[in-house]
Amino acid sequence: QVQMVESGGGVVQPGRSLTLSCTVSGINFHYYAMHWVRQAPGKGLEWLAVISHDGGDKKYRDSVKGRFTISRDNSKNTVSLQMPGLRSEDTATYFCVVSTGAFQPFDYWGQGILVAVSS
Amino acid sequence: DVQMTQSPSTLSASVGDRVTITCRASQTVHTWLAWYQQKPGKAPRLLIHDASSLESGVPSRFSGSGSGTEFTLTITSLQPDDFAVYYCHQYNSFFWTFGQGTKVEMK
Repeated sequence: QVQMVESGGGVVQPGRSLTLSCTVSGINFHYYAMHWVRQAPGKGLEWLAVISHDGGDKKYRDSVKGRFTISRDNSKNTVSLQMPGLRSEDTATYFCVVSTGAFQPFDYWGQGILVAVSS
Repeated sequence: DVQMTQSPSTLSASVGDRVTITCRASQTVHTWLAWYQQKPGKAPRLLIHDASSLESGVPSRFSGSGSGTEFTLTITSLQPDDFAVYYCHQYNSFFWTFGQGTKVEMK
């Protein structure tokens, strides 16, 4: 059974930083690409970033490119999202997601963790 | 970027009704299209992948169809557990995009 546990969220002031982590068990973590998806309160789903199985390839949506950094540690089955310079519009629930291959849907989702940016 | 547009945004229905949700892509995604169900405070749940393949454990009252740019999700006989928000999702091309969601609410 796949388990994905996110951590690192909370309430922060604008301009401050947070790092989200997601620890995965129940699958061969090092085989799969990992994504982060967020959902603003009452809104839809927004894909943010992806990292390849070996960490060698990373992609971001434009609104977070150059600001957020995705990384992974295959020895710890963990994927992270560094978020410096947070803005009010970054307030959302953040989900880590497994995609089991190219041209594959988002098979497994973490439970989500809330990031609230407010002064 | 591939834009995904769902209709309707909200759908009022009763238990036992047949429900259809449409998803339109701004360019072809072939059959690289998934449907998710989301309940309040929960992560999305994958229902259908590759436009029409039902995930293991998903009730057979759910079905998907379509290819190219037009897709539908059908629930043949709505059950109390089905009141939720449904999203389509294309995974044909970077970057991955979702429809805006369709809320199925009780009439």
